[in-house]
Amino acid sequence: ETGVTQSPTHLIKTRGQQVTLRCSSQSGHNTVSWYQQALGQGPQFIFQYYREEENGRGNFPPRFSGLQFPNYSSELNVNALELDDSALYLCASSPGQGASMGTTEAFFGQGTRLTVV
Amino acid sequence: SQQGEEDPQALSIQEGENATMNCSYKTSINNLQWYRQNSGRGLVHLILIRSNEREKHSGRLRVTLDTSKKSSSLLITASRAADTASYFCATDARSGYSTLTFGKGTMLLVSP
Repeated sequence: ETGVTQSPTHLIKTRGQQVTLRCSSQSGHNTVSWYQQALGQGPQFIFQYYREEENGRGNFPPRFSGLQFPNYSSELNVNALELDDSALYLCASSPGQGASMGTTEAFFGQGTRLTVV
Repeated sequence: SQQGEEDPQALSIQEGENATMNCSYKTSINNLQWYRQNSGRGLVHLILIRSNEREKHSGRLRVTLDTSKKSSSLLITASRAADTASYFCATDARSGYSTLTFGKGTMLLVSP
């Protein structure tokens, strides 16, 4: 089991509502990435935060936003929820950043299962 | 969009048999990683192979990488029922920041 914790584990929201998901990264890790995993699919990259700044973004609309705090924990916010936002949301932390370093393994939390009805 | 494609989509074997999963990808990479996921929960890192490596071992796992064919394989030897899970390959592309692009995964079922 990794040191990455996510909350809540499950969540049911109504279409049009807003949701905030939380992630505590592993000790010493300054990079946090968020992924969306629809049923039967692989995880899709949403965005990455490095030292409190957004460091990269996947193909997701602006209603997906995030924050990283000084202790490197992170939040994912989704506004105006749509039915297609129903998915497992995964947070991953890693100790480094930068293509010149190469990527080390990412440590994933157990995910938040979001259902939009 | 998915960078990699795993093959097969599903694999069913008996305990003790070997399981081989393949992954193909599209762009140049820094490294390729394999992850395991049990029952739609978090992913667990299995092994990382860098673009200048051809083969890597970890316990019962053997990974190969062929950058000329943009493909990788994961071999699990002497499988156990506890190996039942979904397996994903993930590539770290040569871009301005490091992140992982996953395939759709192979669902492995190991029967006792």
